[in-house]
Amino acid sequence: GNSVTQMEGPVTLSEEAFLTINCTYTATGYPSLFWYVQYPGEGLQLLLKATKADDKGSNKGFEATYRKETTSFHLEKGSVQVSDSAVYFCALNGGSGNTPLVFGKGTRLSVIA
Amino acid sequence: EAGVVQSPRYKIIEKKQPVAFWCNPISGHNTLYWYLQNLGQGPELLIRYENEEAVDDSQLPKDRFSAERLKGVDSTLKIQPAELGDSAVYLCASSDSLQETQYFGPGTRLLVL
Repeated sequence: GNSVTQMEGPVTLSEEAFLTINCTYTATGYPSLFWYVQYPGEGLQLLLKATKADDKGSNKGFEATYRKETTSFHLEKGSVQVSDSAVYFCALNGGSGNTPLVFGKGTRLSVIA
Repeated sequence: EAGVVQSPRYKIIEKKQPVAFWCNPISGHNTLYWYLQNLGQGPELLIRYENEEAVDDSQLPKDRFSAERLKGVDSTLKIQPAELGDSAVYLCASSDSLQETQYFGPGTRLLVL
């Protein structure tokens, strides 16, 4: 079945540092890939997504590229801020219609000033 | 546009008691999902509705869990009786038929004592 593996946290960075959170997946078919973010006390929010190979999703300075050859969708940001502290989830769907999301375990990011 | 609404936000009950969670999806979204999120884990699907029909409930523990979406709009998830291991966050999400992005509510945090 489909699965997502993302790097374990917590990740602690200083403000303005470069961020990479690794995500790899196993899937049949052609899934769409997502990054969701969960701020303390809040629900999951879509951060970015990519629907086919070589697509790059981007939002709020974050970006991730759908790499079919390495089955990866790593999240990157060039300069993190304290406000980026949250838990980040990589996810995929079945690739057709409104199929359920399969999530990774999440990576907690703490950014210190 | 209002987001996905869930209530209550927090619930503390004793084991063997019943509990119910309510979700109102984004207006016009015909697909509704209930996910379970255990501490330190990513969300896992419990049940998916297309309008009022449950199209994927294979992960719902039917001996104690039930759900309904009678008019194809809001939904209720019930546990009876609750067990200690049910302590978790219960997330509701919705999406429309034109796009695959799922929008999540803030969740209901359940603690079973």
